[in-house]
Amino acid sequence: DTEVTQTPKHLVMGMTNKKSLKCEQHMGHRAMYWYKQKAKKPPELMFVYSYEKLSINESVPSRFSPECPNSSLLNLHLHALQPEDSALYLCASSQPGLAPTDTQYFGPGTRLTVL
Amino acid sequence: GNSVTQMEGPVTLSEEAFLTINCTYTATGYPSLFWYVQYPGEGLQLLLKATKADDKGSNKGFEATYRKETTSFHLEKGSVQVSDSAVYFCALSDRSGNTGKLIFGQGTTLQVKP
Repeated sequence: DTEVTQTPKHLVMGMTNKKSLKCEQHMGHRAMYWYKQKAKKPPELMFVYSYEKLSINESVPSRFSPECPNSSLLNLHLHALQPEDSALYLCASSQPGLAPTDTQYFGPGTRLTVL
Repeated sequence: GNSVTQMEGPVTLSEEAFLTINCTYTATGYPSLFWYVQYPGEGLQLLLKATKADDKGSNKGFEATYRKETTSFHLEKGSVQVSDSAVYFCALSDRSGNTGKLIFGQGTTLQVKP
C-alpha cells in the first residue's frame, strides 16, 4: 500500500481564520514533507520532517506552522493567511536515506482558497 | 546546483501516437530520477523511477532510461490514450546533504485527442 491521505480535500478560509491541514501515511515511512503548488507550476518544498523532527524549513512564513505528532501524522497549522497563499498543498512521505528508498509518495492534496 | 530541465508544452497528440517528453538534469553524484504524473484536480502519482545509470523504469506502457552519459531521462510511450492527458514532472532526488529533497522540472502538459 503506497497511500498517503490528506484532509480536507478543499478548504476555504478568511484571512483571520485558523485552520489545520492533516496528512496520514501507514507505510512506515519516517520522512514526511509539505509542498505548496500553484497552478501550472511544480511543487515547492515547504517543510521536511525526518524521524518526527523538523529537518528542513524552506524559509516559510510563520503563518504556516508544521507539526508531526507521531511517525504517521503530519499537520500544517494555518493562521492569518494571505490570498496569495491560495494553492494546492501536498503532503508526501518516504524513507529517509539513499536509493532505493528515497522515493516520495504524494497525497491527493488540499485545495486551499484564502478570501 | 542541481536542476532539471523539461521540454516545454503543451504537447498535443492524437490517440495511438508515439510520445517522447525530454528531460535532462544537472547533478552532483548519482541521484535517483523520477517521473510523476498529475491528472487534473489531483495530487502527484509516481509513474516510474530509476536509481542508477542504465536502469530502465517502466509502468503502464511508459518507459524512461537513466542515461548518465547524456544526463537524460526521457519519457516514452508507444501508443498514448486520451486517459494519458495530464501534466508530467521529471524530478531528481537531491542527495547533497542527504536532505531527501526532490528537484522538479517545470512540468509538461500532455493533451491527447481522440
